[in-house]
Amino acid sequence: QTVVTQEPSFSVSPGGTVTLTCGLTSGSVSPSYYPTWYQQTPGQPPRTLIYNTNTRSSGVPDRFSGSILGNKAALTITGAQADDECDYFCVLYMGSDISIFGGGTKVTVL
Amino acid sequence: QLQLQESGPGLVNPSETLSLTCTVSDGSFTTSFYYWAWIRQSPGKGLEWIGSVYYSGSTSYNPSLSSRVTISIDTSKNQFSLKLSSVTAADTALYYCARRATGARKDFDYWGQGTLVTVSS
Repeated sequence: QTVVTQEPSFSVSPGGTVTLTCGLTSGSVSPSYYPTWYQQTPGQPPRTLIYNTNTRSSGVPDRFSGSILGNKAALTITGAQADDECDYFCVLYMGSDISIFGGGTKVTVL
Repeated sequence: QLQLQESGPGLVNPSETLSLTCTVSDGSFTTSFYYWAWIRQSPGKGLEWIGSVYYSGSTSYNPSLSSRVTISIDTSKNQFSLKLSSVTAADTALYYCARRATGARKDFDYWGQGTLVTVSS
């Protein structure tokens, strides 16, 4: 069974930089998985931050960037702000219209 | 602005069938450009893709749920539906409907607000 892995939590100082990762329990993440990153604030559905590895969705600040680092997809927040404190989920597309979500990373800004 | 709205019972008895409907507000529902999906989120936990339906009626399901899931579409009503049979407490979750484009962009770009379903007697 394929499992998408994410760090459970991360802390970052205001103005600091944090990199979240998205991996596979077996194999490497590549652009062929169309890595997508979502941000979810309490009481709201997720919203797309990054799709196709590194394309920012409309209206997303440029302090959010996506990439492949080693064998994982990565989301970097540069210059973290207080309202970046929430949950972040990655999703990998496995083909045949199957998508698998990671368990999410809770980011704290303090 | 596209809107998706989930509807259905908020309480389901164990072993019975959970049934939800998603109503889509615009004409993109009947085009070939999108899939229509159900996604759930257990309280305090992560997200799980349940399955998707295409305007033609073709479906794909999460292998871990496929034996219990049926997703259907009614283009005349701009609706698609989820049925999940033999539910247990583990199926208690916030259920979202969402849209995903068919092209190179694979994300779920529009979501409903979600509807909470509790499985309990």
